Amino acid sequence: QLVLTQSPSASASLGASVKLTCTLSSGHSTYAIAWHQQQPEKGPRYLMKVNNDGSHVKGDGIPDRFSGSSSGTVRYLTITSLQFEDEADYYCQTWGPGPWVFGGGTKLTVL
Amino acid sequence: QAQLLHSGAEVKKPGSSLKVSCSASGDTFDTLTITWVRQAPGQGLEWMGGILPVYETKHSAQKFRGRVTITADKSTSTAYMELKSLTSEDTGFYYCARGSHQHVWGSAIVYWGQGTLVIVSS
Repeated sequence: QLVLTQSPSASASLGASVKLTCTLSSGHSTYAIAWHQQQPEKGPRYLMKVNNDGSHVKGDGIPDRFSGSSSGTVRYLTITSLQFEDEADYYCQTWGPGPWVFGGGTKLTVL
Repeated sequence: QAQLLHSGAEVKKPGSSLKVSCSASGDTFDTLTITWVRQAPGQGLEWMGGILPVYETKHSAQKFRGRVTITADKSTSTAYMELKSLTSEDTGFYYCARGSHQHVWGSAIVYWGQGTLVIVSS
């Protein structure tokens, strides 16, 4: 079964970097995922697609501070030079031949 | 850039049905998957189902099977999500979203609608 697992929370200081993880279920290491950001009281926004080879394709207007990478069944979202506006929920999403899947989300706090 | 415009907020009674619409701009309505995502208050994103209009390909999450119907009107570039037998647990935001690869069922969501707030209350 296709499942995405995310840590419920993460925190980092203003100006620092943070690396969020999204883990694919066993047997799905070749799957790409997408990262989405949801700021408080707003709808989700597409950030980027991360392929299994680590390449990524960002959405329009997404700052260079955001990047993606991959290792095995884990897909990463790295945010550098953290800003207060980066405080948000981050979701990963993937797809198979049938149902699509979201991870449970990670709540990022900028200290 | 594609835009997705939702129908307005709704208040429904338990046991009733809900139908939300999502109107898409651009000329690729038929060939991009439109999907529906729910978010209950304080909860995460939950995939409900979707449709690839050009092939009438449809899938829905097991949780909603038998209760959700997703359709698309190609003449008006509008997708619909109908949910039956509503309970208070169906309260939340309902988002339509579009995939990124034409003629392919599964892909990254790249466009999100603004969402429709649905409140189910007696």
